[in-house]
Amino acid sequence: SQKIEQNSEALNIQEGKTATLTCNYTNYSPAYLQWYRQDPGRGPVFLLLIRENEKEKRKERLKVTFDTTLKQSLFHITASQPADSATYLCAPYRGRTGANNLFFGTGTRLTVIP
Amino acid sequence: DTAVSQTPKYLVTQMGNDKSIKCEQNLGHDTMYWYKQDSKKFLKIMFSYNNKELIINETVPNRFSPKSPDKAHLNLHINSLELGDSAVYFCASSTGHGELFFGEGSRLTVL
Repeated sequence: SQKIEQNSEALNIQEGKTATLTCNYTNYSPAYLQWYRQDPGRGPVFLLLIRENEKEKRKERLKVTFDTTLKQSLFHITASQPADSATYLCAPYRGRTGANNLFFGTGTRLTVIP
Repeated sequence: DTAVSQTPKYLVTQMGNDKSIKCEQNLGHDTMYWYKQDSKKFLKIMFSYNNKELIINETVPNRFSPKSPDKAHLNLHINSLELGDSAVYFCASSTGHGELFFGEGSRLTVL
C-alpha cells in the first residue's frame, strides 16, 4: 500500500532562517503533489501544487521541489517568521480516473522562534 | 460567506449512540470528502462523493455512512458510537483535480 512520510514530526527554526520540510512517498506514482498548512483547531489550507513534470514551484516565500526519481518533495519557507509556525502536510495525488483520492502525510509541526 | 461549513463544531456523546455531522459547500464543487484526524493528528480519508456517487470508501466500518442529498451537501452518520471514534472529522470539497477546501472540523468525543 502507498506510504507517505514527512521527515520529522517537529522542526524548530530561528526566525529569518530557511525551513526545509521533506515528504517521501513509496509504492505509487503521483501525478502531482500538494502542500497544506494546518493551524491548531482549524482545517488544512491549501498552499501549493506541483505537477510531476515540474521540478520546482514558487509562491512568495514558499518553494516546492518534486523529484519523481527520489519519490520526494521538499518544501522550503525562506525568511521564516513566527507566523509561519503551523503543521505542514504533504499530499501526493495519483489522479486516477474515478478515484479522486488525496492521501496526506503525517505532517511536520514547524515552530519559528523569534 | 464560509466556503465549507460543518456542524456541529463540538459533539460529546455516550458510547452506543447514533450521531450525524452535516456539511455544506457553496463553491459549486463536484466532489466532497470526509476525513478523520485522530489524536496523533494523522489525517485519513474516509469517503469521497462525486456528483452524489460514492467513488471511494477506504477501510471504514459500516457504522459510518455518508449521505448526500444534493451536490452541495455531504452528511456523515455514525451508528453505535465507540470510544475509538473520538476524533476530529473534516469535511472538504474540490473540483476533483485540484486543491481541497476544508471545513473547520467537528470534534467528536465519545464517553
